[in-house]
Amino acid sequence: KQEVTQIPAALSVPEGENLVLNCSFTDSAIYNLQWFRQDPGKGLTSLLLIQSSQREQTSGRLNASLDKSSGRSTLYIAASQPGDSATYLCAVFNQAGTALIFGKGTTLSVSS
Amino acid sequence: ETGVTQSPTHLIKTRGQQVTLRCSSQSGHNTVSWYQQALGQGPQFIFQYYREEENGRGNFPPRFSGLQFPNYSSELNVNALELDDSALYLCASSLGARLDEQFFGPGTRLTVL
Repeated sequence: KQEVTQIPAALSVPEGENLVLNCSFTDSAIYNLQWFRQDPGKGLTSLLLIQSSQREQTSGRLNASLDKSSGRSTLYIAASQPGDSATYLCAVFNQAGTALIFGKGTTLSVSS
Repeated sequence: ETGVTQSPTHLIKTRGQQVTLRCSSQSGHNTVSWYQQALGQGPQFIFQYYREEENGRGNFPPRFSGLQFPNYSSELNVNALELDDSALYLCASSLGARLDEQFFGPGTRLTVL
């Protein structure tokens, strides 16, 4: 059974710092992986989708990598800003490709 | 391009009642998936609808049911509400049923008293 873990559960950094959020999954035979942002009490905003054949994807200050052999994905945020404060969720598709399996998220706080 | 919308925003029900939540998919998307997110947890997959048929179901009892309409909008129905059903219910739409990027709505916050 696929399980997704995100460590740490919470992270506080000063503005301007570069940071890495970690996501690990138990079954390396994954398909696509998606990173999301969630503001308190709100829905999920899709940040990046990495297809299983890709090793990384970039969007603006965000870069996500995928290493299936080690069962890990990382989300790199460059030059963090207070507006980046949110919970970041990692999710992998199930074997049928129909459902996302989520981690519990990492709550990021960026102070000015 | 209109994003995913959900209604209502908030809902308060009592134990044993029934509730219907609604979702309009993003323009051009024919697949809708529903998730339940308890406080402090990641979303849990309830089921997916593709072209008006259920196309996958998570570990939820039969009192959770759904519909998808010809315009690809969808409803989630929950019967015999329990206190543990209190959660944020999220709807996501995608271009296709398999491996396509999922786009989420703002959610419906359900409180069961």
